[in-house]
Amino acid sequence: EDQVTQSPEALRLQEGESSSLNCSYTVSGLRGLFWYRQDPGKGPEFLFTLYSAGEEKEKERLKATLTKKESFLHITAPKPEDSATYLCAVQGSYNFNKFYFGSGTKLNVKP
Amino acid sequence: DGGITQSPKYLFRKEGQNVTLSCEQNLNHDAMYWYRQDPGQGLRLIYYSQIVNDFQKGDIAEGYSVSREKKESFPLTVTSAQKNPTAFYLCASSIDRSGTSPLHFGNGTRLTVT
Repeated sequence: EDQVTQSPEALRLQEGESSSLNCSYTVSGLRGLFWYRQDPGKGPEFLFTLYSAGEEKEKERLKATLTKKESFLHITAPKPEDSATYLCAVQGSYNFNKFYFGSGTKLNVKP
Repeated sequence: DGGITQSPKYLFRKEGQNVTLSCEQNLNHDAMYWYRQDPGQGLRLIYYSQIVNDFQKGDIAEGYSVSREKKESFPLTVTSAQKNPTAFYLCASSIDRSGTSPLHFGNGTRLTVT
């Protein structure tokens, strides 16, 4: 069964303190791995798509990487406005209409 | 601005009543989806539709119904048969039916049933 596990559940950082969020997955043929940011009371906002092991994508202070079993979202020198819940989702080749989501990592960046 | 509009933002209903959540998109996307989000859980797929007048059940379709009469609209009805309807409901769309593009989400409807 396709499955996504994110860790840690919550992460508290000081402003400027870099760290990484983990997304471990099992899927029957990875079609795509997606990262989203979700603010309280809002819908998820798309950040990145990764398709194959070794791929990397960057956007401002965020960098997403992918291996055959997991993805990392690296946050460099975070600011308080980076505080949000970060969601990971995978899409398998068997049924590409289904996106399987992890439960997210809630990031809190203190000034 | 193109996007997905969900309404209302908050909805309160008494147990035993059916309720319909609205989802409209002006992105010209083919596929539309309904997800449910509960605290501490990942988003779970309720229904999805790839084209007008066609839709498929997701992983937790029991107690829900949908229609897709127009490309832009994909309303979700939460029926009285849904045992735990209180949740945050998210509508999403993707640009094509082949599933090669990411999901884009609306800002959700929070449903409370008492």
